[in-house]
Amino acid sequence: GEDVEQSLFLSVREGDSSVINCTYTDSSSTYLYWYKQEPGAGLQLLTYIFSNMDMKQDQRLTVLLNKKDKHLSLRIADTQTGDSAIYFCAESIPGGYSTLTFGKGTMLLVSP
Amino acid sequence: DTAVSQTPKYLVTQMGNDKSIKCEQNLGHDTMYWYKQDSKKFLKIMFSYNNKELIINETVPNRFSPKSPDKAHLNLHINSLELGDSAVYFCASSPRDRRANEQFFGPGTRLTVL
Repeated sequence: GEDVEQSLFLSVREGDSSVINCTYTDSSSTYLYWYKQEPGAGLQLLTYIFSNMDMKQDQRLTVLLNKKDKHLSLRIADTQTGDSAIYFCAESIPGGYSTLTFGKGTMLLVSP
Repeated sequence: DTAVSQTPKYLVTQMGNDKSIKCEQNLGHDTMYWYKQDSKKFLKIMFSYNNKELIINETVPNRFSPKSPDKAHLNLHINSLELGDSAVYFCASSPRDRRANEQFFGPGTRLTVL
């Protein structure tokens, strides 16, 4: 079955690094995603990684994938107060019309 | 130049009423989706349409009926609204020809059933 788990809450100080973790159960996942949801807004795709990669870097964001342990992480360097939001991990299972299965989201709170 | 738009943004209504939420995307995508986000922020797929054809229909009460008049629009009609339908409903779209299934979300419609 499909299940994506995340810790619910993370609090960091401005300027620190944040690491948000996610575990998934379906080993046939092809792509894994990180979405950001600011208060009162829709989800914004931040980045995604193909399952045959183990790392992807995009400016302040670093995604690490451990396929053996089915563990995905998002590291935000130099975290800013504007990074405060809910971060959702999602997986895509291959198929004719694949859908995304989302985790329950991690609320990141950045204090000055 | 909004990519995925939804109307209305807020909807407050009484139990038993029938209501519709509209979604439009101007990205030229082939596939559109409806998601429900509950009060605990859990996001779950409800429906997916590809080129006006229903392709995914998760376990959703048949009071919910999606309608796709063309591939740029996917509306959600809800009959006999219940308290448990209160949630934020998100529309999304994705291009069919991309392997990565990147989905673009609308701003959401907050439905409150009294």
